Amino acid sequence: DTEVTQTPKHLVMGMTNKKSLKCEQHMGHRAMYWYKQKAKKPPELMFVYSYEKLSINESVPSRFSPECPNSSLLNLHLHALQPEDSALYLCASTHMQGNEQFFGPGTRLTVL
Amino acid sequence: AQKVTQAQTEISVVEKEDVTLDCVYETRDTTYYLFWYKQPPSGELVFLIRRNSFDEQNEISGRYSWNFQKSTSSFNFTITASQVVDSAVYFCALITHSGNTPLVFGKGTRLSVIA
Repeated sequence: DTEVTQTPKHLVMGMTNKKSLKCEQHMGHRAMYWYKQKAKKPPELMFVYSYEKLSINESVPSRFSPECPNSSLLNLHLHALQPEDSALYLCASTHMQGNEQFFGPGTRLTVL
Repeated sequence: AQKVTQAQTEISVVEKEDVTLDCVYETRDTTYYLFWYKQPPSGELVFLIRRNSFDEQNEISGRYSWNFQKSTSSFNFTITASQVVDSAVYFCALITHSGNTPLVFGKGTRLSVIA
C-alpha cells in the first residue's frame, strides 16, 4: 500500500476560523512532510517530522501549527489565516532520507 | 546549496510525438538522489523515478526513459509516442544524503499533448 491520504480535499475558511488538515499513511514511513504549493509553482517545504519529532520548520508563520500524534498521522492546524495562504497543501512521507517521497492528493485551501 | 533548473516552462506536442524534458542540477555533495514527479491537473504528485548519484545507467519504463549524465549534471526525461494522458506538470527534484536537507524541486515543465 503506497498511499498517503489527506482530508479534506477542499476547505474554505474565513480569516477568523480554526481548522485542521489531516494526513495519514500506513507504509511504516518515519518521515512526514507538509508542503504548500501555489498555482504554477513547485511545492515549498513547510515542515518535516522525523520519528514523530519536528526536525525542520522552514520559517513558517505561527498561524500554521503542525502536529504528529503518532507515526502514521500528521496534522496541520490552521488559525487566523490570510487570503494569501490560499494554496494546495500537500502531505508526503518517506522511509528515509534519500528515498522517494510519496505524496497525498492534497487539500485545496481557500481563505476568504 | 542545491539547485534544480528546468529551463522549459511549457512544451506543447502533438500526440505520438516524442518529447524530452530537460533537468540540470547543481550540488557539491557526492552522494545525492534525483527524482522525477508528474503532477496531473488533479494535483497529486506522482513519483516516477529515483536515481542515486552512483548509478548512471539509463532507465526505460514503457514509454518513459531517463538519461542521467553526471558529466553535464543532467537528468533528462523522454516520453516516446506521447499520449493525451501525459499532459501534466513534470518536476525534477534533488536531495542530498548529508544531513536533514529538504527535497529541492525545479520550477516544473508543463507538458500539453494535443490529440
